[in-house]
Amino acid sequence: KQEVTQIPAALSVPEGENLVLNCSFTDSAIYNLQWFRQDPGKGLTSLLLIQSSQREQTSGRLNASLDKSSGRSTLYIAASQPGDSATYLCAVRRRQAGTALIFGKGTTLSVSS
Amino acid sequence: EPEVTQTPSHQVTQMGQEVILRCVPISNHLYFYWYRQILGQKVEFLVSFYNNEISEKSEIFDDQFSVERPDGSNFTLKIRSTKLEDSAMYFCASKTNESNEKLFFGSGTQLSVL
Repeated sequence: KQEVTQIPAALSVPEGENLVLNCSFTDSAIYNLQWFRQDPGKGLTSLLLIQSSQREQTSGRLNASLDKSSGRSTLYIAASQPGDSATYLCAVRRRQAGTALIFGKGTTLSVSS
Repeated sequence: EPEVTQTPSHQVTQMGQEVILRCVPISNHLYFYWYRQILGQKVEFLVSFYNNEISEKSEIFDDQFSVERPDGSNFTLKIRSTKLEDSAMYFCASKTNESNEKLFFGSGTQLSVL
C-alpha cells in the first residue's frame, strides 16, 4: 500500500531564506507526483507536477525534484516571502491504479517578515 | 481563471441525517472527484466519476455514500445516514481529461455531524 510522508510537519523561516520541503513515498511505481499549496479555509492549488520519467520541474521560485528509485521528492523554495506561508502537500498517482491521488499530511510553512 | 464552486461552505447536521454536498465543476471538464480531509489528517480520495459513472472509489466510499451528476453542471455527494466520523472538509475537484493531470479543487464544504 502506497504511503506518503512529509517532513517536517511545520517550518518557520525568516523572509528571504531558501528552504527545502521533503516528501517520501513507499512504492516507486508511481505515474506522477504533484505538489499542492493549501491556504487556510481554501482548496488546494496545484504548483508543480513531475511525471515519473522526469527528474525535476521548475516554476518561478519553486523547483521540485523527483528520485523515484529512492522514493523521494523535494520542493525547493527560493527567496521565501511571507506570501509563501501555507501548507504544502505532496501527492502521488499510482501507476496502473486509476487517477486517484494519495496525499501526504503536508508541511505547514510560516515565513516571517 | 475558471474555478470549481462548492456549496454550502459549512453544513451542520445531526447524526443519522442525510446530507447532500454540491459542486459545480469547471464547464469543459470531464473527470470529477470527491476528496475529504478530517481535521489534522491527510487529504483522502473518496471517488472519481467519468462518463456518468463511478470510475474508481476508495474503501471509505461505502454504501452510505453516493454521487450523482443530475444535470450538465452539478456534481453531488450524498451521505445517506451521517455518522460522527463523517465530520470533515469535503473537496470537489475536476480536470479536463485522463491525461491532463492538473486538478482544480473547490474551496470545500466543512461538514460537522453532531
